Amino acid sequence: NAGVTQTPKFQVLKTGQSMTLQCAQDMNHEYMSWYRQDPGMGLRLIHYSVGAGITDQGEVPNGYNVSRSTTEDFPLRLLSAAPSQTSVYFCASSYSSGGYEQFFGPGTRLTVL
Amino acid sequence: GENVEQHPSTLSVQEGDSAVIKCTYSDSASNYFPWYKQELGKRPQLIIDIRSNVGEKKDQRIAVTLNKTAKHFSLHITETQPEDSAVYFCAAPYGNNRLAFGKGNQVVVIP
Repeated sequence: NAGVTQTPKFQVLKTGQSMTLQCAQDMNHEYMSWYRQDPGMGLRLIHYSVGAGITDQGEVPNGYNVSRSTTEDFPLRLLSAAPSQTSVYFCASSYSSGGYEQFFGPGTRLTVL
Repeated sequence: GENVEQHPSTLSVQEGDSAVIKCTYSDSASNYFPWYKQELGKRPQLIIDIRSNVGEKKDQRIAVTLNKTAKHFSLHITETQPEDSAVYFCAAPYGNNRLAFGKGNQVVVIP
């Protein structure tokens, strides 16, 4: 099992550009989520999904879009990148919900100039 | 939403001593309390978790204790080793399937 995979590992964008961070898991987990990690701020929930076709907002959803067309994939779209979105982004999956062990991907380090 | 706080933000301990990190939460409906460890440049990984129907859980040198009345739970690391140096995050679920993390505790084990 590859577990949770994320691409790319690093990305530099200019303000206003859009891009998609990819996340995939091969554990047949229903629950997937996206977090951003900033120094001193811990992990903040952006969006999450409890199954294919179902998504919901987390703590900091503005400027991000998600969709879940399959159980395996949960891409995160930045619509118009801003310097405030410079962060490390982690995708995670779990068996059922936030009440179970979260398996994290290796992260994507994003810099917006 | 859930408010999860961790104290102290940084903890330095001598190798071999014990370390204790406390986490408080606000949602009294929370029933699952995990601790994650994140080494520098790595992803967070679960090290221990506890559900609200028990007060303590141990796994070798680590343990978690829960006080639901006071709404706090603590991570205990005994006989600390240099590889225990990391950032530790607590978390608690809230609302519909959301999980809130604390801001993290930096633990430094001094050889």
